[in-house]
Amino acid sequence: DAMVIQNPRYQVTQFGKPVTLSCSQTLNHNVMYWYQQKSSQAPKLLFHYYDKDFNNEADTPDNFQSRRPNTSFCFLDIRSPGLGDAAMYLCATSLRGDEQFFGPGTRLTVL
Amino acid sequence: AQSVTQLGSHVSVSEGALVLLRCNYSSSVPPYLFWYVQYPNQGLQLLLKYTSAATLVKGINGFEAEFKKSETSFHLTKPSAHMSDAAEYFCAVRYTGFQKLVFGTGTRLLVSP
Repeated sequence: DAMVIQNPRYQVTQFGKPVTLSCSQTLNHNVMYWYQQKSSQAPKLLFHYYDKDFNNEADTPDNFQSRRPNTSFCFLDIRSPGLGDAAMYLCATSLRGDEQFFGPGTRLTVL
Repeated sequence: AQSVTQLGSHVSVSEGALVLLRCNYSSSVPPYLFWYVQYPNQGLQLLLKYTSAATLVKGINGFEAEFKKSETSFHLTKPSAHMSDAAEYFCAVRYTGFQKLVFGTGTRLLVSP
């Protein structure tokens, strides 16, 4: 089945230790998104790629970076995680901006 | 400004009762509208979407939503709630020419036996 895969599902890191979250997709969608979702809140868009074009949200901290080496993969790098970065991170894809398909998420814990 | 309002952060129903989750959007131009469901520790799953083909949209798991332009609403309904419907529901809009979704704040549906 075509799908969006996120690895790992659970990630524990230490305060200030860089961490990378992974997203891959078999849908061949050209748009990929990264969201941060904190408890009982709506997902908050961090950035998205339209093809190779990177689009950063104005309020996304510099601590968050992303890479998209090819159509299928996208990575979220958190350079120096703080306690406030503990959250669920969701990856989503869409075809030219139409409906978005979400992965199962990665739950990040910062100790 | 583009916005989505979901009235009621929590909605409680009994099993077998009607489910009604409210969503209003702000726009003079009808956007694309979506309802997503999220179960604990999972991603969002698309329930249904409105793309101007029909005002009454049927989705998965027995849910449907009606687009009412005059009320700028897209409320989600299900005739008979099931225990497995307990989850968080998000309404979202996408405006023409944009690739991003604007989410509502979400409504947690609680279903009691």
